[in-house]
Amino acid sequence: QKEVEQNSGPLSVPEGAIASLNCTYSDRGSQSFFWYRQYSGKSPELIMFIYSNGDKEDGRFTAQLNKASQYVSLLIRDSQPSDSATYLCAVGGGTASKLTFGTGTRLQVTL
Amino acid sequence: DTEVTQTPKHLVMGMTNKKSLKCEQHMGHRAMYWYKQKAKKPPELMFVYSYEKLSINESVPSRFSPECPNSSLLNLHLHALQPEDSALYLCASSPSAEGEAFFGQGTRLTVV
Repeated sequence: QKEVEQNSGPLSVPEGAIASLNCTYSDRGSQSFFWYRQYSGKSPELIMFIYSNGDKEDGRFTAQLNKASQYVSLLIRDSQPSDSATYLCAVGGGTASKLTFGTGTRLQVTL
Repeated sequence: DTEVTQTPKHLVMGMTNKKSLKCEQHMGHRAMYWYKQKAKKPPELMFVYSYEKLSINESVPSRFSPECPNSSLLNLHLHALQPEDSALYLCASSPSAEGEAFFGQGTRLTVV
């Protein structure tokens, strides 16, 4: 069982729609959860982090955490073509003192 | 300022060369990391330094040698690399070993 799992996609959404990206993790002791955006050939860019159950909003982005079900999601409202990228979920804390990355979901926002 | 600076941006080296990658941050972060990323794969952790001490070595071959001269600098010394070591090498820093990590722009390494 992979430690952090994401659907590789591509996830295709039309411009202006809501993109929903999901991530599950196996270590119940995990404490910190991050979403990174990575454009092709570039380095990952931190866009959201969440530590507590519930929702956290920042502009067009909302991160949702459910520790009981061991999943974290990222919603992108009013998706724009510039949002087309790979989104990496990362999980920290738990039994290993390091961040563990999922394989990423490729998002395509179509015109 | 959430900036991590890596040099060089691109590096081509032969299998007998010795080279070093450099990383610098001035955010007062106490944890610094080296990751390796191959195309269409997630970043793969290599080393973690916490308070300037090596805390995690993910069974990386000895041809990769990390060094943390002070709290702001992190180096990765390279020697006798193989073509399969060609990848994007990413440095990151975070306030602590489990906090939000900020990445530098990476060094694109090609081993010939």
